[in-house]
Amino acid sequence: DVKVTQSSRYLVKRTGEKVFLECVQDMDHENMFWYRQDPGLGLRLIYFSYDVKMKEKGDIPEGYSVSREKKERFSLILESASTNQTSMYLCASATGAYNEQYFGPGTRLTVT
Amino acid sequence: GQQVMQIPQYQHVQEGEDFTTYCNSSTTLSNIQWYKQRPGGHPVFLIQLVKSGEVKKQKRLTFQFGEAKKNSSLHITATQTTDVGTYFCAGPGVAGNMLTFGGGTRLMVKP
Repeated sequence: DVKVTQSSRYLVKRTGEKVFLECVQDMDHENMFWYRQDPGLGLRLIYFSYDVKMKEKGDIPEGYSVSREKKERFSLILESASTNQTSMYLCASATGAYNEQYFGPGTRLTVT
Repeated sequence: GQQVMQIPQYQHVQEGEDFTTYCNSSTTLSNIQWYKQRPGGHPVFLIQLVKSGEVKKQKRLTFQFGEAKKNSSLHITATQTTDVGTYFCAGPGVAGNMLTFGGGTRLMVKP
């Protein structure tokens, strides 16, 4: 069975902290994605990766960076967390960029 | 850039009533996908439509792709409480290899 896991379901961090969100998929997918989900705004793409060490900016990359050192793992980094980054973060993977995406359970991040 | 708009944003229905959500794109789409997110859950893929005018059914759910491939709809017949959730459409973005998601329609069903 297809599986995408995320390192935490809930996370509380202080303003200015460096935050790491990790995502692991076991489907050997080339493409991985990070979204944030806010009420009324749907899913907004932060970054995606189409191969190891390759990344592309999505719609809202400001304040975020990513790392993909291994095919199965895609990390989202908040260099200096701010309160406006409080949100639900969803990771997804897919065989192709426009193919069916498999989502992880999400991480609800609160920055105080 | 490309926009994918969904209406309505919210819909309350009585159990047994029908429900429809509409998805409109500012550009022609090569395909469109639909996802369902249960409360507290994550989006789960439902279906992909590729052909102009395509209609696909999954039990009580009917998905349509417009002739011009710029709009799509999801219709649920005789809603049940298990249909509760947010339904998203998504289409390929104009630039880069990514999907653009609509804002979603949150369906609430009163028993």
